Amino acid sequence: QKEVEQNSGPLSVPEGAIASLNCTYSDRGSQSFFWYRQYSGKSPELIMFIYSNGDKEDGRFTAQLNKASQYVSLLIRDSQPSDSATYLCAVNGAGSYQLTFGKGTKLSVIP
Amino acid sequence: GAVVSQHPSWVICKSGTSVKIECRSLDFQATTMFWYRQFPKQSLMLMATSNEGSKATYEQGVEKDKFLINHASLTLSTLTVTSAHPEDSSFYICSASFQDNQPQHFGDGTRLSIL
Repeated sequence: QKEVEQNSGPLSVPEGAIASLNCTYSDRGSQSFFWYRQYSGKSPELIMFIYSNGDKEDGRFTAQLNKASQYVSLLIRDSQPSDSATYLCAVNGAGSYQLTFGKGTKLSVIP
Repeated sequence: GAVVSQHPSWVICKSGTSVKIECRSLDFQATTMFWYRQFPKQSLMLMATSNEGSKATYEQGVEKDKFLINHASLTLSTLTVTSAHPEDSSFYICSASFQDNQPQHFGDGTRLSIL
């Protein structure tokens, strides 16, 4: 069974610090990796996606993928209180529309 | 960017009522859409995969006769909660992707409260 594991948190970081969110996945055939942000009472919002090993940067966000270690992470630089949310890691396999989600890590940025 | 519209955003109704939720992909054709349910402080739970022109694929434990899914066009999928009861109260969210391995885009969700 495909699994995606995340530390549930809460992860607390001070404003301006770097928040590091981690995710591991069990299916070696996974090909696409996504990070979603979900505010309380709202639906998930796509933050980043990554397909290849290495880093991908978009503004304050950097996604990192290591397929050999089956590990994907999200770094948030200069964390802001508005970044406080639950971050969901999601993975899918080749030729598949279906995502497997982790349970999410709750991030709290302290002013 | 891609947009998925979901309607209604909030429903409050009496036990025994059937409720229909619509999910539309606004700027792309979606042969596959997904329906999720999320209880408070819990993670997303995939209920079913909606396939245009064919029967939906339901996850284990999801009653297909209770949660009717229709995907009659490439831009519209509907979820009908039949004879809803208080235990069906939840946050229902749809998503769509225009291509496999591409991100899923989520609707804003429907908060269903059954009295």
